[in-house]
Amino acid sequence: QSALTQPASVSGSPGQSITISCTGTSSDVGVYNYVSWYQQHPGKAPKLMIYDVSNRPSGVSNRFSGSKSGNTASLTISGLQAEDEADYYCSSYASSTTLGVFGGGTKLTVL
Amino acid sequence: EVQLVQSGAEVKKPGESLKISCKGSGYSFTNYWIGWVRQMPGKGLEWMGIIYAGDSDTRYSPSFQGQVTISADKSISTAYLQWSSLKASDTAMYYCARRSVGSTFDYWGQGTLVTVSS
Repeated sequence: QSALTQPASVSGSPGQSITISCTGTSSDVGVYNYVSWYQQHPGKAPKLMIYDVSNRPSGVSNRFSGSKSGNTASLTISGLQAEDEADYYCSSYASSTTLGVFGGGTKLTVL
Repeated sequence: EVQLVQSGAEVKKPGESLKISCKGSGYSFTNYWIGWVRQMPGKGLEWMGIIYAGDSDTRYSPSFQGQVTISADKSISTAYLQWSSLKASDTAMYYCARRSVGSTFDYWGQGTLVTVSS
């Protein structure tokens, strides 16, 4: 099962909005609404930010939002803050393995 | 409060065996799948496999099938990841995580760093 495709890096200034894309196939992102997004700060465990494409767990800022169109899911962070600087990973359920698959990760830099 | 607490860092030699653990608390351990995720140094996250704690039904990602063994002891709410013969390429951080629905991991352990070096 190939990894989902994410841009290696994105950047933005404080207060701006950025979007990270996550491209899969018709066997994962395209057919299941089981896309999730994780934030990982250096030396820390990943943290769930978005699940089921667009749902936020309790305690996650509403500056984080998710969406999906066809085989591509997206994570949008509005009102960028310094603490948003981290690596972000998408994940989707994959029918080929009945497990999940991660994207390669995107490093977000807040300028 | 849901918690997953993993065993401590390990330093091993190639060819040695190893079993690391992940103890769940604050929820009904037997009602959830526990997954293992590898993160090699400076690299991304990789699904390794999952186990349903209630009946030990286990699924492996193709890349890890035959390379590791996932198990669980529901009597002590603990999942395990083990190797019979470690290689240098097994050097990585390993996370356990609770699977909710689909492929979502809603709670994560703190990670166990495994270093394999001669």
